[in-house]
Amino acid sequence: GQNIDQPTEMTATEGAIVQINCTYQTSGFNGLFWYQQHAGEAPTFLSYNVLDGLEEKGRFSSFLSRSKGYSYLLLKELQMKDSASYLCAAMDSNYQLIWGAGTKLIIKP
Amino acid sequence: IAGITQAPTSQILAAGRRMTLRCTQDMRHNAMYWYRQDLGLGLRLIHYSNTAGTTGKGEVPDGYSVSRANTDDFPLTLASAVPSQTSVYFCASSSEGGNTEAFFGQGTRLTVV
Repeated sequence: GQNIDQPTEMTATEGAIVQINCTYQTSGFNGLFWYQQHAGEAPTFLSYNVLDGLEEKGRFSSFLSRSKGYSYLLLKELQMKDSASYLCAAMDSNYQLIWGAGTKLIIKP
Repeated sequence: IAGITQAPTSQILAAGRRMTLRCTQDMRHNAMYWYRQDLGLGLRLIHYSNTAGTTGKGEVPDGYSVSRANTDDFPLTLASAVPSQTSVYFCASSSEGGNTEAFFGQGTRLTVV
């Protein structure tokens, strides 16, 4: 079956760094997405990885290892506005997204 | 402002009633999707459309139907609502499907009582 695993909740301190991990099992693979979702709002796109390695975009970076079925989202210089859920989604061979349940990130002052 | 719009934003519906959730996008995206989001679960795909005139079933299609008469609109219909369809529904679109980002509507919070 197809499955995405990510931690349910994480807590971090303002100004610090946090890494949110995601492991996936899919029938075929066409890339890994990260989305941010603030409470009561729609998900918004953060990153897309299809090749192994690290993609950096400002304070956010995303890493992919296809051989390990593993990705992480790295958030640096945390701000209070980063408090949100972070959704990991893998695209299967039919170009359908398989979504994780999301990681709720709580930022403390 | 270009984007994707859903209506209504919230609704309380009696069980057994018929309901259509509306979704309109003005980005000329070919692919559109309907998801439901329930606490503790990931987004689950209900139906999708890769282009106007075509639709497909997702992971949880039972009790729902869709149509795609044109590029912009992708309504989702619950023929006879049941309490298990209480959820937050998101419509999304992407330019080609595949490895392109999806843009989401603001969601419809539906409660079936």
